[in-house]
Amino acid sequence: AQSVTQLDSHVSVSEGTPVLLRCNYSSSYSPSLFWYVQHPNKGLQLLLKYTSAATLVKGINGFEAEFKKSETSFHLTKPSAHMSDAAEYFCVVTPNTGFQKLVFGTGTRLLVSP
Amino acid sequence: DTAVSQTPKYLVTQMGNDKSIKCEQNLGHDTMYWYKQDSKKFLKIMFSYNNKELIINETVPNRFSPKSPDKAHLNLHINSLELGDSAVYFCASSKELAGDYEQYFGPGTRLTVT
Repeated sequence: AQSVTQLDSHVSVSEGTPVLLRCNYSSSYSPSLFWYVQHPNKGLQLLLKYTSAATLVKGINGFEAEFKKSETSFHLTKPSAHMSDAAEYFCVVTPNTGFQKLVFGTGTRLLVSP
Repeated sequence: DTAVSQTPKYLVTQMGNDKSIKCEQNLGHDTMYWYKQDSKKFLKIMFSYNNKELIINETVPNRFSPKSPDKAHLNLHINSLELGDSAVYFCASSKELAGDYEQYFGPGTRLTVT
């Protein structure tokens, strides 16, 4: 069984300050992990993914995430927030072998103030 | 060109009606999915199809019937609509069912049942 816990439902930052969105996972299998972003009234877009290669993963728009097996975490970070980063972010887990079946976290809404 | 498209974007209907949502992908992918996003933004997989064959059916009521006429299309038909069916429905596709291929999401269909 797999599950994802996003530790914060809302995160507020000021423009230009660092962003940290926290995610812990549980998986019976060796997992693949993803971060997806959803802007208001839009579909989901892949930010980055971890698939058992490098543990530090770089994604689009300056985001990165680090896979820490010992802590079962996959936190998303960005050094400097931009107003356009305001959106809903989903941490997602799936087995990295066999059928892909994405299990979503409950989402973290990122608010960016000027 | 839109990679994954859905029609309609908005659907308002009364309880007891039957409605369909259409999805098309032009990415040449083998696998397509339907997800339901509830009012709290929680996303859950409903179905996946691989090469027109049903692979995943996540205990969705049998009022929901997916149909895949070809690999590029996956439609969702809903019979006897209920208030609880109100949600945003997302279609997605990936290159293959297995592994960690990125899923590409459509823009969503907001279904409101009154």
